[in-house]
Amino acid sequence: DQQVKQNSPSLSVQEGRISILNCDYTNSMFDYFLWYKKYPAEGPTFLISISSIKDKNEDGRFTVFLNKSAKHLSLHIVPSQPGDSAVYFCAASVSDTGNQFYFGTGTSLTVIP
Amino acid sequence: DTGVSQDPRHKITKRGQNVTFRCDPISEHNRLYWYRQTLGQGPEFLTYFQNEAQLEKSRLLSDRFSAERPKGSFSTLEIQRTEQGDSAMYLCASSLEGGGGYEQYFGPGTRLTVT
Repeated sequence: DQQVKQNSPSLSVQEGRISILNCDYTNSMFDYFLWYKKYPAEGPTFLISISSIKDKNEDGRFTVFLNKSAKHLSLHIVPSQPGDSAVYFCAASVSDTGNQFYFGTGTSLTVIP
Repeated sequence: DTGVSQDPRHKITKRGQNVTFRCDPISEHNRLYWYRQTLGQGPEFLTYFQNEAQLEKSRLLSDRFSAERPKGSFSTLEIQRTEQGDSAMYLCASSLEGGGGYEQYFGPGTRLTVT
C-alpha cells in the first residue's frame, strides 16, 4: 500500500522557469514531510522539509507547500537550473514515533539549458 | 568528510551466498536506519536503531536478514542465503533524535546484485 505517491515519473522544464513537483499522501497521521534529491550512484540528499503546523517553507530557490486538507504537497524550484536535474523524492513520517520515512516513487526532473 | 559512509559500494554474489554490509553513521547521530531501494521505487524502510537497540523491523525484513549495531556506532546488515529478489540498493541513513521532526542523512548505498 503506497502511502506516499508521486504520480508524475518525469518532468522537463526550461532553464530559468519554475519546476513544480507534486506529491500526495493518504495517511492523515503524517505530520512531517521532506523532499530529497538523488543523483545517479549517490544516496538521497536532504533538500527541504515542512512540519504540518506550517503550510509553506522556503529555502533559497526551493519552496515547499503543504495542503493538509487535500493531503498534498508540492516543491517549487525557481529559477530552475541544469544542476537541478535529478530524481526528487518526497517523504513523510509521523514525527513523534521517530522511525521510518515513507517515500514516494520519485519524479525525474530534467532542466533543459 | 563526516557524512554517512557505506561499504562496500557494490557487491555481486551468487544465489545462496551470505553477504554483509557496513554502515558508519554521522558520529553524533544516535538513530540509524536501513532502507532498500529497487528500480523505479523510492527507498523502503527495513529497520532502525536508536543507539544499540533495534526498535522496529519492517515485514520486508525476512528471517534471512539480520542487522546489528553493537556499540551504538556502526551497523551491519547481513543477508543469508541470498536470492535474486534481494538484488537492490541498500541505503543507510542516520539522524539525531528529536521532537518535531528531523532529517535523515543518507549514505551512498550498497548495490547488491545476486546472480
